[in-house]
Amino acid sequence: GAGVSQSPRYKVAKRGQDVALRCDPISGHVSLFWYQQALGQGPEFLTYFQNEAQLDKSGLPSDRFFAERPEGSVSTLKIQRTQQEDSAVYLCASSLPGIPNNEQFFGPGTRLTVL
Amino acid sequence: AQSVTQPDIHITVSEGASLELRCNYSYGATPYLFWYVQSPGQGLQLLLKYFSGDTLVQGIKGFEAEFKRSQSSFNLRKPSVHWSDAAEYFCAVGLMEYGNKLVFGAGTILRVKS
Repeated sequence: GAGVSQSPRYKVAKRGQDVALRCDPISGHVSLFWYQQALGQGPEFLTYFQNEAQLDKSGLPSDRFFAERPEGSVSTLKIQRTQQEDSAVYLCASSLPGIPNNEQFFGPGTRLTVL
Repeated sequence: AQSVTQPDIHITVSEGASLELRCNYSYGATPYLFWYVQSPGQGLQLLLKYFSGDTLVQGIKGFEAEFKRSQSSFNLRKPSVHWSDAAEYFCAVGLMEYGNKLVFGAGTILRVKS
């Protein structure tokens, strides 16, 4: 497709369940970012990949959060033992490397609700 | 620490009126600045960006923004608002030393009244 796609678009989980959120970046985009957007807030950085290498995971809120991009394309954000505070929209973005062409293109997001 | 402040949570303007959304940033190096728009249920769309050069940048949909280093500001403007501009607007600073990860403000919700 032409843009960044994310699946599922909506996910409802019971507290304690594990979830996996998928991101398909734009073809050829080397950089991939995950952000978390809580209700009424701006997006907050979670983690960053360049190809398959996870170069920055400083924004992951706890060790229950794990992200991977094994072949340098599709990425999965996994949340183990979900808690209510994990409820948010999870946004994925991809970009080309280098300045000034590294505009981040965002996907529609996955809205996670933890009951 | 790097941060972005959008002082106005909500703004309401009449259709056809001018618009200015405020953004202030805190960043030690030369900032790379962005404005994104988010409509309900949609992803973020880039309106414009500033990397260097002319401090007045033009974007899509008739928006422009002016970078003022002395005021640490990057305010977004539009001379005449359309009803379709109603959305949430986010200002962000890109941290180049961290692969250009973005630090966002909390957003400003724009309402347009006819």
